[in-house]
Amino acid sequence: DIQLTQSPSSLSASVGDRVTITCRASQNINNYLNWYQQKPGKAPKLLIYASSNLQNGAPSRFSGSGSGTDFTLTIGSLQPEDFATYSCQQSYITPRTFGQGTKVEFK
Amino acid sequence: QVTLKESGPTLVKPTQTLTLTCTFSGFSLSTGGVAVGWIRQPPGKALEWLALIFWNDDKRYSPSLRNRLTITKDTSKNQVVLTMTNMDPVDMGTYYCTRDTIVLRGTNYYAVDVWGQGTTVTVSS
Repeated sequence: DIQLTQSPSSLSASVGDRVTITCRASQNINNYLNWYQQKPGKAPKLLIYASSNLQNGAPSRFSGSGSGTDFTLTIGSLQPEDFATYSCQQSYITPRTFGQGTKVEFK
Repeated sequence: QVTLKESGPTLVKPTQTLTLTCTFSGFSLSTGGVAVGWIRQPPGKALEWLALIFWNDDKRYSPSLRNRLTITKDTSKNQVVLTMTNMDPVDMGTYYCTRDTIVLRGTNYYAVDVWGQGTTVTVSS
């Protein structure tokens, strides 16, 4: 299985901050990397697919980059509704593994 | 509008078999480039991918759970069923039904673009 390691596991930030979350794959997955946002008690939502493509309806302050084994999710200016857990997932091969998640909390 | 909804028991006993049904609408599982899968999440823990069934009946399973899982589809009823045998307390959590589709046009790039609301399963005697 491909292992995905996210960092940090949690972070504290304020509204308006620029936030960066990283995801490292245990092997080359080209650009087959997705990012999901999950709020407490809710199902995840797709934010970014294929490393850098913004899903329809996702705010433009979210962006993704990377290829190979190292990927980044950036929130350009953190908004109150962005406090949530963010998870990466690889679509390169089954099993379609997830990272352990990064919780973005209010500072 | 694409929707998926999970149904099944909320409580199962250890060693029993769990059967979950996903009933979906707004798309057809006989259309190329579409799949329905299952993902679970133990309380406070990470998402775990379980299984996937494609429009052409190709099936994929988590290797660690392969001998306990079966995924099937009934295209006429717009349903996908997941069975998990020999349930254990470590299997407790929220089970999500998902739609995988080709999100990058002209490629074979699948991603989960729609999730069900999830169903919580407790394993206890």
